[in-house]
Amino acid sequence: GAVVSQHPSWVICKSGTSVKIECRSLDFQATTMFWYRQFPKQSLMLMATSNEGSKATYEQGVEKDKFLINHASLTLSTLTVTSAHPEDSSFYICRGDRGRPEAFFGQGTRLTVV
Amino acid sequence: SQQGEEDPQALSIQEGENATMNCSYKTSINNLQWYRQNSGRGLVHLILIRSNEREKHSGRLRVTLDTSKKSSSLLITASRAADTASYFCATVGSASGTYKYIFGTGTRLKVLA
Repeated sequence: GAVVSQHPSWVICKSGTSVKIECRSLDFQATTMFWYRQFPKQSLMLMATSNEGSKATYEQGVEKDKFLINHASLTLSTLTVTSAHPEDSSFYICRGDRGRPEAFFGQGTRLTVV
Repeated sequence: SQQGEEDPQALSIQEGENATMNCSYKTSINNLQWYRQNSGRGLVHLILIRSNEREKHSGRLRVTLDTSKKSSSLLITASRAADTASYFCATVGSASGTYKYIFGTGTRLKVLA
């Protein structure tokens, strides 16, 4: 079945630094990649939607300058958390879409900002 | 918020008992899916039920869907300690060739041995 590989699975960074999270679709072309954030004991909230070769669309309340999304190819999308702060500590997970209702989620990244 | 509502928020049962969790949503859907998430881990897909289906079974799981009431339920029979996890419903709607997922608030299930 289709697989989305996400890494790193966990990362600890210092406040003020930037962190990049990668999602690769291994055996299909993800025309659209969705990025979600999940705070402890809460549900997954959609942050942004990216289409290959175009700018990402951000959900209300998500700072586009803080969460930089790049979807340069059909198999790779990246989320960069810039100038990270402790309140950005969260679980980030991506989902690749190839125009079918089945979901292809990455394994998720646990970000801790200290 | 478009987020779906789930109840109960938390459920604690004894091993061997059945667990039922409910999901209500607001928009029209293509399908509805249930996921399990162990603490701090990724999502595990459990079952998908299409909008034209009313009930679906998979092993110890039984899912129902009532599109007129915009609600779904997940029943786990003969629960085990290993079923302890958070369970999320996700409503899936299609738009412009992609599928948008909206997750419910989740039910934290604890199965006591």
